Amino acid sequence: DTGVSQNPRHKITKRGQNVTFRCDPISEHNRLYWYRQTLGQGPEFLTYFQNEAQLEKSRLLSDRFSAERPKGSFSTLEIQRTEQGDSAMYLCASSLVVVHEQFFGPGTRLTVL
Amino acid sequence: GDSVTQMEGPVTLSEEAFLTINCTYTATGYPSLFWYVQYPGEGLQLLLKATKADDKGSNKGFEATYRKETTSFHLEKGSVQVSDSAVYFCALNSNDYKLSFGAGTTVTVRA
Repeated sequence: DTGVSQNPRHKITKRGQNVTFRCDPISEHNRLYWYRQTLGQGPEFLTYFQNEAQLEKSRLLSDRFSAERPKGSFSTLEIQRTEQGDSAMYLCASSLVVVHEQFFGPGTRLTVL
Repeated sequence: GDSVTQMEGPVTLSEEAFLTINCTYTATGYPSLFWYVQYPGEGLQLLLKATKADDKGSNKGFEATYRKETTSFHLEKGSVQVSDSAVYFCALNSNDYKLSFGAGTTVTVRA
């Protein structure tokens, strides 16, 4: 299967701990996106990369959040000092630059106790 | 800013019934419009899309027409099946990268 993959699929952590999620996009896709989805809502845009450059960050991405895509392939999203309000599904998507269609991974469900 | 408003659910239908999910949008310029579907336990999948006014997207018996004059992109299917039970999201892209989603509509089809 050559779709978008995300790890881990589930993460339970205690408030104040740091967590890191990984996303592996479709191999030829040069854009990678992160979204957050809370229960009963649609996904909300967090940030995106074109190759290794982070080109846009939403105001939802507080300074406790950091994302990287060091070699223009996989990406990591780190949340420091987690809060209960960070509990959500974190979705990764990828696309080609010239095509608006984004392909989504299965998501990482974060629960902060 | 960009926003999408879609019909609130949940929607419960019998098999072979007609399904319509309303979606209206507010956006700058000329956005591309999408319907995504999320089946139970699975990730978001693109169902159909339309990139300019009067385009009709279609897939798996679902259709939606890009109506610029009414800023709408309503999803329709003439005869639903139990396997169509899912959450449906309307979305738009007006700036080349960011998708803005509606809140989703849960559809349950009973046999």
